[in-house]
Amino acid sequence: QSALTQSASVSGSPGQSITISCTGTSSDVGNYNLVSWYQQHPGKAPKLIISEVNKRPSGVSNRFSGSKSGNTASLTISGLQTEDEADYYCCSSAGSSTVVFGGGTKLTVL
Amino acid sequence: QVQLVESGGGVVQPGRSLRLSCAASGFRFRDYGMYWVRQAPDKGPEWMAIIWYDGSNKYYADSVKGRFTISRDNSKNTLDLQMDSLGVGDTAIYYCARYSSSALLDYWGRGTLVTVSS
Repeated sequence: QSALTQSASVSGSPGQSITISCTGTSSDVGNYNLVSWYQQHPGKAPKLIISEVNKRPSGVSNRFSGSKSGNTASLTISGLQTEDEADYYCCSSAGSSTVVFGGGTKLTVL
Repeated sequence: QVQLVESGGGVVQPGRSLRLSCAASGFRFRDYGMYWVRQAPDKGPEWMAIIWYDGSNKYYADSVKGRFTISRDNSKNTLDLQMDSLGVGDTAIYYCARYSSSALLDYWGRGTLVTVSS
């Protein structure tokens, strides 16, 4: 299966809000409410920040929120902070316990 | 707390083999499917293989099918990845990750670097 499509980069100033989109197909994003988002800082492992489209694991800031419409999922980060600067990846179920990842979006906090 | 610790990475020549291991702790290992995911330099994650909680089913990405073999030992809480016929395109950090039917890959190890080079 093909990777999910994410914009390569996004930027924002501290305090602003940004949205990262993730476009798949009717076989993955559009077919399951099983979209997760991961934050990855340089040299670190990906960290789960959103699951099941819009659920935050314990300990994740409520500045992170997720949504989905059709074949596109979105991650919104409000009140940007410098520590939010990282790479963000979406991931969707693709059936039979398999998953598909997005290519990643680099967030720069100006 | 959930811990996943990978080992076995290193530098290997093209065409050779390498075996990675992942030691799991802090959760009931036998209840969870497990993934191997790799990430090439400056690239996004790419899933390689998944094994069901009891080892009854295994799936592989097309890029490694027939070359990589995933296995697990629920008595030892370990996950393995046997990698054969390695090529330069297999150079990446390899992560093991726990699969959850709701959260997908909810915990990741810190990864082990595999470099395929002559």
